[in-house]
Amino acid sequence: SSELTQDPAVSVALGQTVRITCQGDSLRSYYASWYQQKPGQAPVLVIYGKNNRPSGIPDRFSGSSSGNTASLTITGAQAEDEADYYCNSRDSSGNRVVFGGGTKLTVL
Amino acid sequence: EVQLVESGGGLVKPGGSLRLSCAASGFTFSSYSMNWVRQAPGKGLEWVSSISSSSSYIYYADSVKGRFTISRDNAKNSLYLQMNSLRAEDTAVYYCARDYPFDPWGQGTLVTVSS
Repeated sequence: SSELTQDPAVSVALGQTVRITCQGDSLRSYYASWYQQKPGQAPVLVIYGKNNRPSGIPDRFSGSSSGNTASLTITGAQAEDEADYYCNSRDSSGNRVVFGGGTKLTVL
Repeated sequence: EVQLVESGGGLVKPGGSLRLSCAASGFTFSSYSMNWVRQAPGKGLEWVSSISSSSSYIYYADSVKGRFTISRDNAKNSLYLQMNSLRAEDTAVYYCARDYPFDPWGQGTLVTVSS
């Protein structure tokens, strides 16, 4: 299996742009997916594949990838974007799934 | 509306067993792989197990392999997780989630392993 590494915490001023990163060897072979989790709620998928947003996810959320690093970018962060964000991907076998440790986003 | 509803959580003693269920509605359950993901209190997400649409392929995290069994009943639109030999470190909210990437998720059911 492989591991995915995320910064534990990131902050952004209201209306500014923030990038949350996820590093791991499996990201050289598989795209990351990104999930938003607010306190007391189940996670919600916000980005998957190369840069795809499920229906209902605002277009200020975008994804990108380079080498072993995947990034989630929020352009014009809103107060409601304050949450924990998790990346995941297939592991090196392609059969199992790994999660990053999560990033707590604070909107100032 | 696509909906996943977990049930079966509760308090169990170390070494005990518990069976979780996930009832699916609003989509063709038999066409999708399904998954269990857990989250210990105050911790991050941990993938537990996945099962393909016809149950042909099943995978487990190393932390639960040999103790947990995932299964499904497509006629009942239901996913299950049989958890045996439970340990304190299995204490978590257990979520079921559809497909990969995981979307949507259920609201979760809390499993507490304590004497």
